[in-house]
Amino acid sequence: GEDVEQSLFLSVREGDSSVINCTYTDSSSTYLYWYKQEPGAGLQLLTYIFSNMDMKQDQRLTVLLNKKDKHLSLRIADTQTGDSAIYFCAEGKGGGSQGNLIFGKGTKLSVKP
Amino acid sequence: DAGVIQSPRHEVTEMGQEVTLRCKPISGHDYLFWYRQTMMRGLELLIYFNNNVPIDDSGMPEDRFSAKMPNASFSTLKIQPSEPRDSAVYFCASSLGVRTEAFFGQGTRLTVV
Repeated sequence: GEDVEQSLFLSVREGDSSVINCTYTDSSSTYLYWYKQEPGAGLQLLTYIFSNMDMKQDQRLTVLLNKKDKHLSLRIADTQTGDSAIYFCAEGKGGGSQGNLIFGKGTKLSVKP
Repeated sequence: DAGVIQSPRHEVTEMGQEVTLRCKPISGHDYLFWYRQTMMRGLELLIYFNNNVPIDDSGMPEDRFSAKMPNASFSTLKIQPSEPRDSAVYFCASSLGVRTEAFFGQGTRLTVV
């Protein structure tokens, strides 16, 4: 069935790099996404990658996609305390709208000063 | 634009009561999504609309749940009768077209006692 898996917690020190990993199951997913949720807030799209790409970089964020292994990762360089949040990996469901997503349960990133 | 607006932000109700959650999408967006977030199941898509028409309601858990979109600027998610296991954060999101970012509202935290 459709499933997106990610580890639940990650703790890093300020200034270090954070790497959040995710595996997905639907090989037909066209887009894969990373969302950020701060406490008490909605979800904010951080970045996304098209399935025919291996890597996408956007300032401090680097997304790596291994389509063969259905593995997606998000690297945050020079992690700051403001990056503390829950990060969700999501895959697009079939060919539908970008909002029709299957989410992982989220990885809670804690950044220690 | 103020973004996706949901009301109320918090709702506490007694088991058996009817609950109505409201959403105002971003003006001009033609897709609207309702998600539910719980600790156990994470984020789940309940239903989504395109041009006010329900496209996929396969995520709606039971007949107690219903959603409507009477016009392009308003949608409701109703639970009748509510049960304690319906306690969750309900998010509404909207997007313009098929291939664009879905913007999420702040969510409604529902507690059924």
